[in-house]
Amino acid sequence: NAGVTQTPKFRILKIGQSMTLQCAQDMNHNYMYWYRQDPGMGLKLIYYSVGAGITDKGEVPNGYNVSRSTTEDFPLRLELAAPSQTSVYFCASSYSTGDITSNYGYTFGSGTRLTVV
Amino acid sequence: AQTVTQSQPEMSVQEAETVTLSCTYDTSESNYYLFWYKQPPSRQMILVIRQEAYKQQNATENRFSVNFQKAAKSFSLKISDSQLGDTAMYFCAFMNPGANNLFFGTGTRLTVIP
Repeated sequence: NAGVTQTPKFRILKIGQSMTLQCAQDMNHNYMYWYRQDPGMGLKLIYYSVGAGITDKGEVPNGYNVSRSTTEDFPLRLELAAPSQTSVYFCASSYSTGDITSNYGYTFGSGTRLTVV
Repeated sequence: AQTVTQSQPEMSVQEAETVTLSCTYDTSESNYYLFWYKQPPSRQMILVIRQEAYKQQNATENRFSVNFQKAAKSFSLKISDSQLGDTAMYFCAFMNPGANNLFFGTGTRLTVIP
């Protein structure tokens, strides 16, 4: 019962480098999300997806890209890493039919701590 | 825009005692969800309790219960019989079903003292 799996758990990047944070879920959830958590703060939404092939921006999308080619996977791409992207990144998933009674909250991955130096 | 406010950055409680964490939110929606998440030092985000705004009855999960005051836009979490394992950051979160985005407060760091 894996739930939401994120890799890597830790990463140090140099300014200007690129990387992809991987996220996979095995619960057949239709919704997936990427959040970032800055020190002492709550989580802020970067991007989300309501199903394979459909993605949309959240509150803080600048500097990131996503794709959703399958229901299970939702990778987050950083193209030109900047110190402002130093954060902890969480992937999450949920299932919703759109009916108000159907949403049971998110399942989160264990996070990726990214440091840009 | 939805906002979630947690006015208590840090709290502490003696083991076996009861503690209440505060949360207020702002929204013009009538139907929405409210959540409390726990984040222990392991960093994992764990769902503690969930409340649907259309339900008047307060949600309860074992030692965790909420006091949901819709008119006041208040959603506090009560932890009874506090245990050392309850030491964690606690985040209040709001979701508008139509947007499917969780808005988080800045968190309350709870320490349970032996």
